[in-house]
Amino acid sequence: DTGVSQDPRHKITKRGQNVTFRCDPISEHNRLYWYRQTLGQGPEFLTYFQNEAQLEKSRLLSDRFSAERPKGSFSTLEIQRTEQGDSAMYLCASSSQGPTTEAFFGQGTRLTVV
Amino acid sequence: GESVGLHLPTLSVQEGDNSIINCAYSNSASDYFIWYKQESGKGPQFIIDIRSNMDKRQGQRVTVLLNKTVKHLSLQIAATQPGDSAVYFCAENRPSGGGADGLTFGKGTHLIIQP
Repeated sequence: DTGVSQDPRHKITKRGQNVTFRCDPISEHNRLYWYRQTLGQGPEFLTYFQNEAQLEKSRLLSDRFSAERPKGSFSTLEIQRTEQGDSAMYLCASSSQGPTTEAFFGQGTRLTVV
Repeated sequence: GESVGLHLPTLSVQEGDNSIINCAYSNSASDYFIWYKQESGKGPQFIIDIRSNMDKRQGQRVTVLLNKTVKHLSLQIAATQPGDSAVYFCAENRPSGGGADGLTFGKGTHLIIQP
C-alpha cells in the first residue's frame, strides 16, 4: 500500500495526558499537512511541512500542540495536557511539490479525551 | 470572515439520477479547488480538482464547474450509485505568497442515494 498511513486509528485518553500521533506520507511526497476535523465540520488546517521544515505553524490550536518531521519523512503530532475539547479526528495529508497539487489524506486518528 | 461554504447540508437523490452539489467561496484570490468525498470513519478521498484558469473539468462520472464571476463551484455526479453516498467537501487553496496555508474546507454536503 502506498497511501498515507496514520497510527493509531483510535486513541482514548484521560484528560491531562499527553498523546502522540504518527503519519507516514506517500514516499515521494515532500509536503505533509496536519488537519483536525470535528463532527459535522470540514477538516481544519493545523500545520504544514516541506521536507523537514515546518513552514506554517501559526494555525496550531494552542501551545499544547506541536508537530515534528525530523527526517523529512514521517511526522508526529503531539498534544500535551489533553482537554475534552481536543476530541476530534486528526488527519494527515501529503502532496508533491507545488501548492496546486492534490493532497492525499490518511484515514485519520480518532482521539477521544475522557 | 472569508470561508468556503455549501448551500445544502443534505441532498437526497434516487439511484441512477444525476446529482449536483454546490459550493460558494468568498476568496477571489483562490487559485485551486478540490472536491473530496468522505465516507463515515474514513479520511477524505480526492475526487476531482480544477484550477482557476479553467471553468470545467470532467472525470469519470463527475464534472466540476467553476464560475469565478460569482465565486461558485459545483460537482455533478452522473448516474449515482449507492457507493456515492458520503459527505462531499469542496476545498480551496488560497495563495499566501510563498508559504502554504493548506486547504480551506467547507462544511460538507451529505449525499444520500435512495434505492
